[in-house]
Amino acid sequence: GENVEQHPSTLSVQEGDSAVIKCTYSDSASNYFPWYKQELGKGPQLIIDIRSNVGEKKDQRIAVTLNKTAKHFSLHITETQPEDSAVYFCALHPDRGSTLGRLYFGRGTQLTVWP
Amino acid sequence: KAGVTQTPRYLIKTRGQQVTLSCSPISGHRSVSWYQQTPGQGLQFLFEYFSETQRNKGNFPGRFSGRQFSNSRSEMNVSTLELGDSALYLCASSLATGISNTGELFFGEGSRLTVL
Repeated sequence: GENVEQHPSTLSVQEGDSAVIKCTYSDSASNYFPWYKQELGKGPQLIIDIRSNVGEKKDQRIAVTLNKTAKHFSLHITETQPEDSAVYFCALHPDRGSTLGRLYFGRGTQLTVWP
Repeated sequence: KAGVTQTPRYLIKTRGQQVTLSCSPISGHRSVSWYQQTPGQGLQFLFEYFSETQRNKGNFPGRFSGRQFSNSRSEMNVSTLELGDSALYLCASSLATGISNTGELFFGEGSRLTVL
């Protein structure tokens, strides 16, 4: 199956600083790259996604960049707030041989924002 | 609009027993996927159902099975439980219907299974 490497596994930042999480993948045919946020005791929730024909997408304080040549995509959170503290997962959908409900996930990044 | 509902939220079983978990997708969603989440392996895909048909299956032993009903509700079953089956089992539903049409997966809060 598709291999998704996510770094770092833990990230601590001061409130107001920026946080960056990076994921690399191996299948160049992957075409859909969502990011999920999982708060304690809850299921993952989609926060932003990007498709292979777009290089960057922004939604308020959150942005995602995709470099298909280098096979990596990153999540950028600016002006972090304590409520941003959670586990963040990158994921991807490989274009070949997979149905829409099957995503491959990174191992997650525990983000802690200190007030 | 109600989200994805999973029951039970918590359960404890002993080795050798079997368990059935239930998932009610968001109204109108016909695609349901199941994932296993553990600290060691992360989020692993179990299977996906659409219109009562299993469309995809992950790399899990045959002890793991599932089904989907005509109202899109889904169940998964794990037989002959092992200690390693302790995990958070997540169900996700999606509005997308085409094989290649990715859509947002909406996750439930999960069923936390502990096997003693």
